[in-house]
Amino acid sequence: DQQVKQNSPSLSVQEGRISILNCDYTNSMFDYFLWYKKYPAEGPTFLISISSIKDKNEDGRFTVFLNKSAKHLSLHIVPSQPGDSAVYFCAAGGSNYKLTFGKGTLLTVNP
Amino acid sequence: NAGVMQNPRHLVRRRGQEARLRCSPVKGHSHVYWYRQLPEEGLKFMVYLQKENIIDESGMPKERFSAEFPKEGPSILRIQQVVRGDSAAYFCASSPGRRTGLTDTQYFGPGTRLTVL
Repeated sequence: DQQVKQNSPSLSVQEGRISILNCDYTNSMFDYFLWYKKYPAEGPTFLISISSIKDKNEDGRFTVFLNKSAKHLSLHIVPSQPGDSAVYFCAAGGSNYKLTFGKGTLLTVNP
Repeated sequence: NAGVMQNPRHLVRRRGQEARLRCSPVKGHSHVYWYRQLPEEGLKFMVYLQKENIIDESGMPKERFSAEFPKEGPSILRIQQVVRGDSAAYFCASSPGRRTGLTDTQYFGPGTRLTVL
C-alpha cells in the first residue's frame, strides 16, 4: 500500500523553463511534507518542506504547493538549470516522526 | 548533507556473515533514523532511535536485524547472517527532534551500499 505516490518516473525539461514535480498521498494523518534531491551514489539532500497549515512555501528557485483537499503537492523549480538534474523524492511525515517516501522522479534538465 | 556521517560507504559480505553499519548524526541531533533503499524503489523506513532507546522499529525485519544508539558513539545497524536479499543502500538520517514550524527535517548521510555475494 503506497501512501505516497510520484506517478511520473521521469521528467525532461529545457534549461530556463519551469520544472513541475508532482506527489499524491493517501494518509490524512500526514502533517508535513518534504522534498529531497538525490544524485547517484549519494544520500538524499533536503530541499524544502511545508507543513499542513500552509499551502505554499518558497525558497529561492524552489516552491512547494500543498492542496490538502486533493492530497496533492507539487514542487516547482524555476528557472531550471542543468545542475538540477537528479532524482527528486517526495516524503511525508506525521506525529510519529518517520518519513514515508515516494519512489522518486528523475528530472533531466537539457541545456 | 548537513554532517551525517556513515561508514563504511561500501560493504561486501558473503552469505551468512554479519554486517555492521555505522552512523554519526549531526552534532546536537538526538534522533536517528535508518532507511533502506532497494533498486528502483524509494526509501523505506526501518527504525527510529533516540539515545539508548528504540522508539519505533516497525519497519525492521524481526529476525537478523538490530539497531542501537548508545549513549556514547555512533548508531549501529547490525545484520546477522546476511542473505542476498539484504543487498541494498542503507541510509541513516538525523533530526533535532523538535518541530520548527510543525516540521522536523531529517538530514541524510551518504549511505552504505551493502552487497551480499
